Amino acid sequence: AQKVTQAQTEISVVEKEDVTLDCVYETRDTTYYLFWYKQPPSGELVFLIRRNSFDEQNEISGRYSWNFQKSTSSFNFTITASQVVDSAVYFCASRRWGNKLVFGAGTILRVKS
Amino acid sequence: ETGVTQSPTHLIKTRGQQVTLRCSSQSGHNTVSWYQQALGQGPQFIFQYYREEENGRGNFPPRFSGLQFPNYSSELNVNALELDDSALYLCASSLGGPTEAFFGQGTRLTVV
Repeated sequence: AQKVTQAQTEISVVEKEDVTLDCVYETRDTTYYLFWYKQPPSGELVFLIRRNSFDEQNEISGRYSWNFQKSTSSFNFTITASQVVDSAVYFCASRRWGNKLVFGAGTILRVKS
Repeated sequence: ETGVTQSPTHLIKTRGQQVTLRCSSQSGHNTVSWYQQALGQGPQFIFQYYREEENGRGNFPPRFSGLQFPNYSSELNVNALELDDSALYLCASSLGGPTEAFFGQGTRLTVV
């Protein structure tokens, strides 16, 4: 069975600080997919990124970057120069091909001005 | 291209009643899945439909049932509502396989 652990329940930072959200996953599958979603107060889950298990390249998209390390089963998410609009709950998730998403418990990020 | 839309956005029901939640999938998406998110928790998988057939189910009792229609829209039905069914219900659509799922804004169900 797949399992995703987000050990950080809540993080508070001041605007312009960098912040890293941790994600550790467990799976017996050799092929799997990892995701990050953002959930603002409105409730909708907003897709941020998908990473395939066979692609360990890190990715950067604007102020967002993701560090995927199979050796430590981690898929961490960094926001550079955080902004108040980044305040939300962030979920890490995993899935097999065509299967259900398994979510972590989420990390609440509060960015203060 | 329209996104995933859910209706209604909020709903209050009495214990023992039945409820139907609706979801319109994103254009071209043939796979729809439903999740229950209790307050302060991550979403939990209820079930998934692919081309009108259920092809995956989470640990939810049979009183949670669903349908997918030929246009790939979907319904979630919950019978004999219990207080613990109070949650945000999220619908997601995708192209299946490894692709990402796109979520609707959710239906907030309160059972009193």
